[in-house]
Amino acid sequence: DIVMTQSPDSLAVSLGERATINCKSSQSVLYSSNNKNYLAWYQQKPGQPPKLLIYWASTRESGVPDRFSGSGSGTDFTLTISSLQAEDVAVYYCQQYYSTQVTFGQGTRLEIK
Amino acid sequence: QVTLKESGPVLVKPTETLTLTCTVSGFSLSNARMGVSWIRQPPGKALEWLAHIFSNDEKSYSTSLKSRLTISKDTSKSQVVLTMTNMDPVDTATYYCARIEVVMVWFDPWGQGTLVTVSS
Repeated sequence: DIVMTQSPDSLAVSLGERATINCKSSQSVLYSSNNKNYLAWYQQKPGQPPKLLIYWASTRESGVPDRFSGSGSGTDFTLTISSLQAEDVAVYYCQQYYSTQVTFGQGTRLEIK
Repeated sequence: QVTLKESGPVLVKPTETLTLTCTVSGFSLSNARMGVSWIRQPPGKALEWLAHIFSNDEKSYSTSLKSRLTISKDTSKSQVVLTMTNMDPVDTATYYCARIEVVMVWFDPWGQGTLVTVSS
């Protein structure tokens, strides 16, 4: 199975500052035939199901604020929140769908400093 | 509006079989590109994908749980059913279903989830 490793496990950022979460896959999730990275990002707030933020590594889901952006290719990916808002406090997960054995990262908890 | 709703027992005993139902609306399980996945999350822990099924009845299971899982669908009822045999306390978790599409196997949207506790 492809192992997804996120860093850091937790992160505290001041309001209005940038938050960066990293995700590394144990093998490339880039399909050469279509040049797409099979990676998604989710946000999970307490007591709620996860919410899709980003797919194809960098495509923002409809309705997701543009302060959220995804980048990276191959095995290394980043979720960036450009200006942290109070409502962004959550746990964030990356997920690969390159393999039929879908796997998630362990999650990164984002808090306000 | 696409919605999914999980239903099933809140408490099962060790060694019992768990049966969960995901009832979907806003899309059809007969749509050529559509599918449904099951994902679980133990309290305070990370997400774990379990299985998915597509409209053509193509199924995929987590290799670590394959021997215990069965996924099926009833298109006429708009339902996807997951069974997990030989339940253990470590299987205590919130179980979610979510919509997926062929090739684009990201999960959106998700149901609200159902907490299943395994205890004698």
